[in-house]
Amino acid sequence: KAGVTQTPRYLIKTRGQQVTLSCSPISGHRSVSWYQQTPGQGLQFLFEYFSETQRNKGNFPGRFSGRQFSNSRSEMNVSTLELGDSALYLCASSPIEGAGNTIYFGEGSWLTVV
Amino acid sequence: AQSVTQLGSHVSVSEGALVLLRCNYSSSVPPYLFWYVQYPNQGLQLLLKYTTGATLVKGINGFEAEFKKSETSFHLTKPSAHMSDAAEYFCAVSRSGTYKYIFGTGTRLKVLA
Repeated sequence: KAGVTQTPRYLIKTRGQQVTLSCSPISGHRSVSWYQQTPGQGLQFLFEYFSETQRNKGNFPGRFSGRQFSNSRSEMNVSTLELGDSALYLCASSPIEGAGNTIYFGEGSWLTVV
Repeated sequence: AQSVTQLGSHVSVSEGALVLLRCNYSSSVPPYLFWYVQYPNQGLQLLLKYTTGATLVKGINGFEAEFKKSETSFHLTKPSAHMSDAAEYFCAVSRSGTYKYIFGTGTRLKVLA
């Protein structure tokens, strides 16, 4: 069974641009969540989707948005990029929603903003 | 509000020595607790988790953790460190009624030959 797939793996963007990151969950998984990982802040929750509905959102500005499609694939978008948005963005999926369920992580998308 | 504290951002042990990585949590309701490991340039991999039942949880690669409610702790241990255990380890908590996981700041484990 294929794991969580994230694309692209590495990208460099210029300040002010926007970026879209893609996540394909494990087959059959309907819940997708996103995390930002930085050396200074660690892993911070961005948002979680289940059946195309956003269930929860972390404390990030409105420049960060996401969506989930009917096939459970998810995208996140960051508009008007800032230098501080440079981070590893991790997507995770689980079969169903709810606490206590194991979430399975992809290898992440490394975003560098210059 | 939930939070997770991992004591020690860096821990060094000799190969063959006991590994002990500390995690304390705060939660107003019984939590679900997890340990994940991250190798360089990779995502996070689940080591073990506690949801209900037995408080001593065994995971992969010889790791185990014990849920101690009275101490609000969920420390990770391994009797004998191996060079391949060198990685960053994250403790996480979630609880019923929410959909997000709160991660600790991580502990980077170094194994000395």
